[in-house]
Amino acid sequence: GNSVTQMEGPVTLSEEAFLTINCTYTATGYPSLFWYVQYPGEGLQLLLKATKADDKGSNKGFEATYRKETTSFHLEKGSVQVSDSAVYFCALSGSNDYKLSFGAGTTVTVRA
Amino acid sequence: DAGVTQSPTHLIKTRGQQVTLRCSPKSGHDTVSWYQQALGQGPQFIFQYYEEEERQRGNFPDRFSGHQFPNYSSELNVNALLLGDSALYLCASSSLQLTGKAFFGQGTRLTVV
Repeated sequence: GNSVTQMEGPVTLSEEAFLTINCTYTATGYPSLFWYVQYPGEGLQLLLKATKADDKGSNKGFEATYRKETTSFHLEKGSVQVSDSAVYFCALSGSNDYKLSFGAGTTVTVRA
Repeated sequence: DAGVTQSPTHLIKTRGQQVTLRCSPKSGHDTVSWYQQALGQGPQFIFQYYEEEERQRGNFPDRFSGHQFPNYSSELNVNALLLGDSALYLCASSSLQLTGKAFFGQGTRLTVV
């Protein structure tokens, strides 16, 4: 079945540091890929998505590129802020699937 | 425009009891999905409702059941509660035209004692 593996946390960074969170997936066909973010005390929010190979999703300074050859969708941000402290989830939706399959989440803490 | 609203926010139940959780989707959305998120884990798909019918189900026992009403709101029912059912239950709404862009509620924290 479909599955997502993302790097374990927690990750602690200083402000303005570069952030990468690795995500790899297993799926048949051509899934859509997503990053969701859960800020403290809030619900899950869609951060960005990509629906086909080589697509780049971007939002709020975050980027992720759909790499079919490496089955990866790594999340990157060039300069993090304290407000980026949250739990980040990589997820996929299969081509004939209505559900989202999530990774375990990566907790990111950014210190001033 | 209210987003996805869930009630109650917190709930404590005794093992063996039954519980009902409620969800109102975002305005304009016709599809509701339920997820279980154990502490420190990612959400796990329970089922999805569309046009008042269960359209897809995850690997959860029959103790987990649901319903969708004509106004698209939904309920999640769990019977014969186990300690392992303690989790955050998330409702997500979407529309067929925006497949994949699901909006999540803040969840109901269920504790089974």
